[in-house]
Amino acid sequence: AQKITQTQPGMFVQEKEAVTLDCTYDTSDQSYGLFWYKQPSSGEMIFLIYQGSYDEQNATEGRYSLNFQKARKSANLVISASQLGDSAMYFCAMREFPIYNQGGKLIFGQGTELSVKP
Amino acid sequence: EAQVTQNPRYLITVTGKKLTVTCSQNMNHEYMSWYRQDPGLGLRQIYYSMNVEVTDKGDVPEGYKVSRKEKRNFPLILESPSPNQTSLYFCASSLLGNEQFFGPGTRLTVL
Repeated sequence: AQKITQTQPGMFVQEKEAVTLDCTYDTSDQSYGLFWYKQPSSGEMIFLIYQGSYDEQNATEGRYSLNFQKARKSANLVISASQLGDSAMYFCAMREFPIYNQGGKLIFGQGTELSVKP
Repeated sequence: EAQVTQNPRYLITVTGKKLTVTCSQNMNHEYMSWYRQDPGLGLRQIYYSMNVEVTDKGDVPEGYKVSRKEKRNFPLILESPSPNQTSLYFCASSLLGNEQFFGPGTRLTVL
């Protein structure tokens, strides 16, 4: 069965420093997608970055990058130059690729609460 | 504006009183889904739909029903709510295989 594990319930980082949020996954599928979402205290879910299982390059989106190590089944989120506004809950998620109206389940990790210190 | 809307945003109800939480998207997305979020458990998928008239169970479907009669709407129905269904509920939509766009959430309390 698919599973996502985020082992860091909470983390602190100094403003302007980089931080890595861990995510490991388990799946027997060859085709899947990995996502990171941010949930600030206001509650909305904000998409940050996506990595496909066949993508050879690590995904990057501005200050966010995804350190994808397929053999180790890890998809860590790296936030460079942390800002106070980065304080939030961060969720890693995995999704099967839908084929012919089959599949499409999406599972989330438990989340990591990041606090950025001034 | 491209968005996913949910109504109501907040709801307090009593055990056994049927309720419906509506979800609508204006992005012509095929995929729609419902999640519940509980402290320490992250988001768990309740039901999802790959297209009109196609729905499937997620990880926690017990006590919930859904329907997808139109592409834009995906209501969540609790036929007989119980206190363990007190939670924060999110609806989301996407093109197949792409990132999900989430609604603002519905906070449900069942007394």
